[in-house]
Amino acid sequence: DGGITQSPKYLFRKEGQNVTLSCEQNLNHDAMYWYRQDPGQGLRLIYYSQIVNDFQKGDIAEGYSVSREKKESFPLTVTSAQKNPTAFYLCATKYNEQFFGPGTRLTVL
Amino acid sequence: KNQVEQSPQSLIILEGKNCTLQCNYTVSPFSNLRWYKQDTGRGPVSLTIMTFSENTKSNGRYTATLDADTKQSSLHITASQLSDSASYICVVSSLDTGRRALTFGSGTRLQVQP
Repeated sequence: DGGITQSPKYLFRKEGQNVTLSCEQNLNHDAMYWYRQDPGQGLRLIYYSQIVNDFQKGDIAEGYSVSREKKESFPLTVTSAQKNPTAFYLCATKYNEQFFGPGTRLTVL
Repeated sequence: KNQVEQSPQSLIILEGKNCTLQCNYTVSPFSNLRWYKQDTGRGPVSLTIMTFSENTKSNGRYTATLDADTKQSSLHITASQLSDSASYICVVSSLDTGRRALTFGSGTRLQVQP
């Protein structure tokens, strides 16, 4: 898991609620990423940021939002517009290779 | 379209036995290939990285091979242990920049039984 922390480890959400997943890193890496992992599928890119105050949509950005106000932090908000949010969410940084956080499992009740 | 296919999807072996996982890719232009180990409920951890010019690379009981001509890679696990039970993910990097630089396979779930 290196210097990447994600919280909470488990998160439960009621339908219609927005929730925010935290990702913090002390690796001093510029690039940060959010992935979604579903059973039997490869990781899919939600958003990425290569520098503070800048971020780009990935392949499945609909229903998600991010911010990058500090180099160390890249929070992900799962909005009520995301129709199937139950999944395992991984935050990552990149410096020559990709480093992953421990993940957050989000369940919609 | 860049793709990474892994096989088998799942595998059960007895402790102490060897196994080989496969990864076929169609990623261009190719930069490197990594194998990650992901324990259940945890983030992936890098095992090996292979560039175009490398054929074999070992990390303890893990040995990865790469055939850049056929675009195939394998991960061989020797003398398996219970702690090897995990998903193994093949990730291929292209020389492209930005979001499409990484293509992930769906993984092989390995279960080592006593």
